[in-house]
Amino acid sequence: EPEVTQTPSHQVTQMGQEVILRCVPISNHLYFYWYRQILGQKVEFLVSFYNNEISEKSEIFDDQFSVERPDGSNFTLKIRSTKLEDSAMYFCASWGQGSDTQYFGPGTRLTVL
Amino acid sequence: DQQVKQNSPSLSVQEGRISILNCDYTNSMFDYFLWYKKYPAEGPTFLISISSIKDKNEDGRFTVFLNKSAKHLSLHIVPSQPGDSAVYFCAASVSNTGKLIFGQGTTLQVKP
Repeated sequence: EPEVTQTPSHQVTQMGQEVILRCVPISNHLYFYWYRQILGQKVEFLVSFYNNEISEKSEIFDDQFSVERPDGSNFTLKIRSTKLEDSAMYFCASWGQGSDTQYFGPGTRLTVL
Repeated sequence: DQQVKQNSPSLSVQEGRISILNCDYTNSMFDYFLWYKKYPAEGPTFLISISSIKDKNEDGRFTVFLNKSAKHLSLHIVPSQPGDSAVYFCAASVSNTGKLIFGQGTTLQVKP
């Protein structure tokens, strides 16, 4: 069964450093999303991406964040200068025609020290 | 901004009995509702969904009920199994491609 994959599974970085989180959505899907879950809190929407552009973003998704689909398979989330409060699980999701739902990847745990 | 709320942080039921998880929402623009199951250190796994034109959707042991007038949905699991023990999130969106707004989650424990 097709699935969304994410790398790395765990990323540790120093405050102020740039990180890139990578996702490979399901191959025929057209809509892509990033969500995050801070420990003990709810899953929060960050951004959605369709037709090579951002379709919607939350107030969390400020100028420090960017997304890109550099080729036909990868979907990346970049945080330019990480803060302590960026520590969270980051989930990528994708949706395709005929899907009941957005399918989520296993997540990347980002730890900012 | 708690547009989707799950007021019970935890629920414990005996194996074989019914588990009922509840969810309330405030945004009347939501027209698509979903339940996800999540284990620690894993991504949410889709369980079942319902659109606003329906009031019930069933898939095996899982049934979702939607009461639009009360802005309330519930997930029934019958019979409950120990393997159902996990965190359950309800989520809502304005369309099936739109962003998902999640509740806080309910931890279900099914005791053998």
